[in-house]
Amino acid sequence: NAGVMQNPRHLVRRRGQEARLRCSPMKGHSHVYWYRQLPEEGLKFMVYLQKENIIDESGMPKERFSAEFPKEGPSILRIQQVVRGDSAAYFCASSPGTGQNTEAFFGQGTRLTVV
Amino acid sequence: ILNVEQSPQSLHVQEGDSTNFTCSFPSSNFYALHWYRWETAKSPEALFVMTLNGDEKKKGRISATLNTKEGYSYLYIKGSQPEDSATYLCASGAGSYQLTFGKGTKLSVIP
Repeated sequence: NAGVMQNPRHLVRRRGQEARLRCSPMKGHSHVYWYRQLPEEGLKFMVYLQKENIIDESGMPKERFSAEFPKEGPSILRIQQVVRGDSAAYFCASSPGTGQNTEAFFGQGTRLTVV
Repeated sequence: ILNVEQSPQSLHVQEGDSTNFTCSFPSSNFYALHWYRWETAKSPEALFVMTLNGDEKKKGRISATLNTKEGYSYLYIKGSQPEDSATYLCASGAGSYQLTFGKGTKLSVIP
């Protein structure tokens, strides 16, 4: 059972370009979470999705950021018109449910660098 | 406490020494406390999920305790080995949903 797979591992974008980050959850997991780690900061929650639905996007910037988790295929975190401040490590996690004792399993992250 | 705080930020121990570090979290509306082990260039690895006051969990040489009334958890490592070198993260949250992470304790075990 492969773990949470994220790609690419590293992504370089020029200011104004779009960044697309992909996350394939663990097999059997229908809940996906995106977290961001800015330099010198801890992991910060961005968005929680179930298949085809955004459940909570309270941690995601209102503009330029969007996320989806289609019926088929990976979850995508999309950042339009990237700026230098978007440079960070973006982590995806998945879980089979949201019960009190449920663990979230993390991917290795995508390091986005905006030049 | 409004955020999840971990201390110390980093520590160095000799191989064979036992060590522990602290996670403080908001005690109101507590739901669950997670510990993760994070090695450089790898994904955070789930160690424990703890939900009940007084909970104590163990995995090999690593154990953790939980005090939900006062809002803290301790992680203990007995007989540290070089392979224990990693950053240990704790997170408070509603199960697996919207975890609030501390900044971690970076442990270096010196052979």
